[in-house]
Amino acid sequence: QQPVQSPQAVILREGEDAVINCSSSKALYSVHWYRQKHGEAPVFLMILLKGGEQKGHEKISASFNEKKQQSSLYLTASQLSYSGTYFCGTGRVDSNYQLIWGAGTKLIIKP
Amino acid sequence: DGGITQSPKYLFRKEGQNVTLSCEQNLNHDAMYWYRQDPGQGLRLIYYSQIVNDFQKGDIAEGYSVSREKKESFPLTVTSAQKNPTAFYLCASSRRPAGNQPQHFGDGTRLSIL
Repeated sequence: QQPVQSPQAVILREGEDAVINCSSSKALYSVHWYRQKHGEAPVFLMILLKGGEQKGHEKISASFNEKKQQSSLYLTASQLSYSGTYFCGTGRVDSNYQLIWGAGTKLIIKP
Repeated sequence: DGGITQSPKYLFRKEGQNVTLSCEQNLNHDAMYWYRQDPGQGLRLIYYSQIVNDFQKGDIAEGYSVSREKKESFPLTVTSAQKNPTAFYLCASSRRPAGNQPQHFGDGTRLSIL
């Protein structure tokens, strides 16, 4: 039961905003966000822990609603370098150290 | 600079052949992981290791084997029993084996069948 990411893909113009969602049917204690460019390794963006926190990283921020088992990644004033596929990895209470990964959201930024 | 090194970058396997993918880290991390990534899909866990000389199966361990004889090294063998090995293989590590620890990834090995 992998988490569901939405949308599957999004195309933006440089400077526009985007929101990527990650939703799980299981109780979560953490949500990880990573960005992967084609043919490269995923790069860590941030972790959100149980407690409903929000974090920021430059113009990229995220929130975690533990009651709904949902997290959202916000990309503000997108830059060309933001292009890639974004994955959420969920730390579940029953998963014994494993992260369960979503299928990814492909983000294309056009000039 | 600390990091994770995977080799080779590309690997080709013949029918009935076992191949070994190398993963070395100098981050002094306790936990290491092997993932398989197929086109358009997320990461699926093959094996993980919390500490030296210990490892556990992930969701898709059949046809794969691992060892963890040294903290720095976690090689993955793709055996002939894995009938569909073509994929992108990623090795990762984290400071501790916990879901609240960021995972650091190597650059991956792309495996294809000849």
